Amino acid sequence: EAGVTQFPSHSVIEKGQTVTLRCDPISGHDNLYWYRRVMGKEIKFLLHFVKESKQDESGMPNNRFLAERTGGTYSTLKVQPAELEDSGVYFCASSPQGGNTEAFFGQGTRLTVV
Amino acid sequence: QQQVKQSPQSLIVQKGGISIINCAYENTAFDYFPWYQQFPGKGPALLIAIRPDVSEKKEGRFTISFNKSAKQFSLHIMDSQPGDSATYFCAATLYNFNKFYFGSGTKLNVKP
Repeated sequence: EAGVTQFPSHSVIEKGQTVTLRCDPISGHDNLYWYRRVMGKEIKFLLHFVKESKQDESGMPNNRFLAERTGGTYSTLKVQPAELEDSGVYFCASSPQGGNTEAFFGQGTRLTVV
Repeated sequence: QQQVKQSPQSLIVQKGGISIINCAYENTAFDYFPWYQQFPGKGPALLIAIRPDVSEKKEGRFTISFNKSAKQFSLHIMDSQPGDSATYFCAATLYNFNKFYFGSGTKLNVKP
């Protein structure tokens, strides 16, 4: 079974540009999460989808970040326009419906804004 | 305010030694405490987890010790091996939720 897949693995963009990160969760997982780790700090929650609905977006830094989950399958996280402080590793995780289920993480996308 | 504080930031242990990583949390409502292991180029993977109704959980060489009154928990890796070299994250959440509050990570290097 394929795990959580994220694209691209790395992205280097200039300040002011737009970047879109993609996450393909494990097939059948209703829950999808985005997290971010900035330069050696803790991994921070960004938002949580249940199927195509945003369940909790309390961790989104500001309105330059837009997350979508088309048809409850893959998800995209767009940053527009990117700022230097957006640099970090963005992780996606998914888990099945129901409680007490393990969340499986993707390998992450390393975003560098220069 | 960081909900989960983790130390040390990095750790070097000789093969066969004991690795100890400590975490402290703020929110007394947290009731699920997982540890994640991350190898370079990979995502974090669940290693072991504990709920606060027990003070210790052991799985092979990995043990979580939990002190509810002190709001602290720790990971002990017995007989550390070079293959254990990775970054370890503690986390806390409410049971049945996967909105984790992570610590800042500990980079463990086990020397042969």
